[in-house]
Amino acid sequence: NAGVMQNPRHLVRRRGQEARLRCSPMKGHSHVYWYRQLPEEGLKFMVYLQKENIIDESGMPKERFSAEFPKEGPSILRIQQVVRGDSAAYFCASSRPGVGEKLFFGSGTQLSVL
Amino acid sequence: SQQGEEDPQALSIQEGENATMNCSYKTSINNLQWYRQNSGRGLVHLILIRSNEREKHSGRLRVTLDTSKKSSSLLITASRAADTASYFCATDRGGYQKVTFGTGTKLQVIP
Repeated sequence: NAGVMQNPRHLVRRRGQEARLRCSPMKGHSHVYWYRQLPEEGLKFMVYLQKENIIDESGMPKERFSAEFPKEGPSILRIQQVVRGDSAAYFCASSRPGVGEKLFFGSGTQLSVL
Repeated sequence: SQQGEEDPQALSIQEGENATMNCSYKTSINNLQWYRQNSGRGLVHLILIRSNEREKHSGRLRVTLDTSKKSSSLLITASRAADTASYFCATDRGGYQKVTFGTGTKLQVIP
């Protein structure tokens, strides 16, 4: 049973380009979280998704950021028109449906905006 | 805003000593979890304690929860150099509520 897979591991974009970050949850997991982490800081919640449904997007900026978790395929975090301040590590986690389920994390995508 | 605040922010101890990290949170919770993060890697789940529990053990880990003080502590006994990592608490409020993380404690265990 493969773990949570995130790709790419590193992503370099120039200002104004689009960044697409992918996350394939563990088998049997229908819930996905996205977090952002700056160096030496904690994880900041961005969005919580269920298949085909956004449960909570309160941590995600209203502009330029979007997330989806389709019925088939990975969850995608999309950042349009990236700016230098978007540079960070983005972590995805998945869990089984249910209350109080532990999260399984991917290795993260390090986004660098030049 | 972050739900949890860990203290200390950083802790340096000798191998074999015990390490204690604390987490305080602001609102009522359903579950509190502790995670570990090695530098540049994803987080790994350590232990979960429910709001109706006061103490839980797992190997060298001991977690306590005081809901009246809105705080939790993680104790690592007989620390090893391999325990060097950042440790985060995470809380949820039950139902399909998001899991929010604290600011973390960076632990260094010196061989």
